[in-house]
Amino acid sequence: EDQVTQSPEALRLQEGESSSLNCSYTVSGLRGLSWYRQDPGKGPEFLFTLYSAGEEKEKERLKATLTKKESFLHITAPKPEDSATYLCAATSGGSYIPTFGRGTSLIVHP
Amino acid sequence: GAGVSQSPSNKVTEKGKDVELRCDPISGHTALYWYRQRLGQGLEFLIYFQGNSAPDKSGLPSDRFSAERTGESVSTLTIQRTQQEDSAVYLCASSLVAVGEQYFGPGTRLTVT
Repeated sequence: EDQVTQSPEALRLQEGESSSLNCSYTVSGLRGLSWYRQDPGKGPEFLFTLYSAGEEKEKERLKATLTKKESFLHITAPKPEDSATYLCAATSGGSYIPTFGRGTSLIVHP
Repeated sequence: GAGVSQSPSNKVTEKGKDVELRCDPISGHTALYWYRQRLGQGLEFLIYFQGNSAPDKSGLPSDRFSAERTGESVSTLTIQRTQQEDSAVYLCASSLVAVGEQYFGPGTRLTVT
């Protein structure tokens, strides 16, 4: 059974304090690992998809990396507007259905 | 361009009533997904459409849940004889191709009293 575990469940940072969110996955032959941002009362917003170990993608203050067992979302010098829940989702080979983690709730204080 | 839209945004219904939730995907997106999100929980997969076909219905929780898609466009999720445990946010997402990046709608918040 595919499993995706995110840690920590919640993270509080001061503005400018860099940190990383973790997504550990167990799937049969990873097809893709995606990160989404979800603001309260809204649907998730796509950020990145990584397809192979060693791949990295960046967007503004966010950088996602991928190994064979986990992915990290690095947040550099975060701002209050980065506050949101970050979800990761892994899709196994031969499947079209992503398995989502429960998310990390990030709060960035000014 | 227009994103994924869902209606209604909120629905309050009495236990035992039927409800229909609608999703309008991005034009041209062949893949469409329905998810359920309970408070504080992750996204729970319900059903996946490729075109008008549903090759994977494995996530539907019971036979009270059904969904259809017509014209490779709009999709409707129907819940019959609603129960209190059906209360959740129901999210729809579409993508250009399967395993592509998914674009989510704002969700329908369903409350069963």
